[in-house]
Amino acid sequence: KNQVEQSPQSLIILEGKNCTLQCNYTVSPFSNLRWYKQDTGRGPVSLTIMTFSENTKSNGRYTATLDADTKQSSLHITASQLSDSASYICVVSEFGTGANNLFFGTGTRLTVIP
Amino acid sequence: KAGVTQTPRYLIKTRGQQVTLSCSPISGHRSVSWYQQTPGQGLQFLFEYFSETQRNKGNFPGRFSGRQFSNSRSEMNVSTLELGDSALYLCASRPSAGGTEAFFGQGTRLTVV
Repeated sequence: KNQVEQSPQSLIILEGKNCTLQCNYTVSPFSNLRWYKQDTGRGPVSLTIMTFSENTKSNGRYTATLDADTKQSSLHITASQLSDSASYICVVSEFGTGANNLFFGTGTRLTVIP
Repeated sequence: KAGVTQTPRYLIKTRGQQVTLSCSPISGHRSVSWYQQTPGQGLQFLFEYFSETQRNKGNFPGRFSGRQFSNSRSEMNVSTLELGDSALYLCASRPSAGGTEAFFGQGTRLTVV
């Protein structure tokens, strides 16, 4: 069964600190993995996309890693800011063209406090 | 380019009523999909429309239905509302049926009382 699991469910960190969010998946055949950021009351916005051959990809203070062998991904946030407070959702795509080929994690709720 | 627009942003309905939500995709995008988001479940796929045809459907009861118009705008209808239907309903558009990046609207917050 295709599944995406994220940990932790929630996280509170001090402004300026780093943190790492985890995503484990069982989706097969794997196409790509995206991390989305969802601010409260808004729709998710894509941060990064990782394909099978990519290990690391950065987007500013966000760095995503992918280990396709162990089917694990992480999102590392450096020097956190208050605006990083949001839910982060891992989405794994299975090969195929339908929206039902996208599998969503339940997200990690990050709160950055001053 | 305007983003995905969902209306209304907030709705309060009573049990047994029906509701229609609207989604206008990004110009040129032909695929529109709908999701239900609740705190414990995350995003649950409802259905996807492409060129006015439903391509895929998630595991939701028949009370949830949708349609897509020739201009790619989509509507979602929920009949005989239940308390458990309270959720954030998100619409996402993709350039084509094969595009993997889904561009989300801001959602419609539905509260059933």
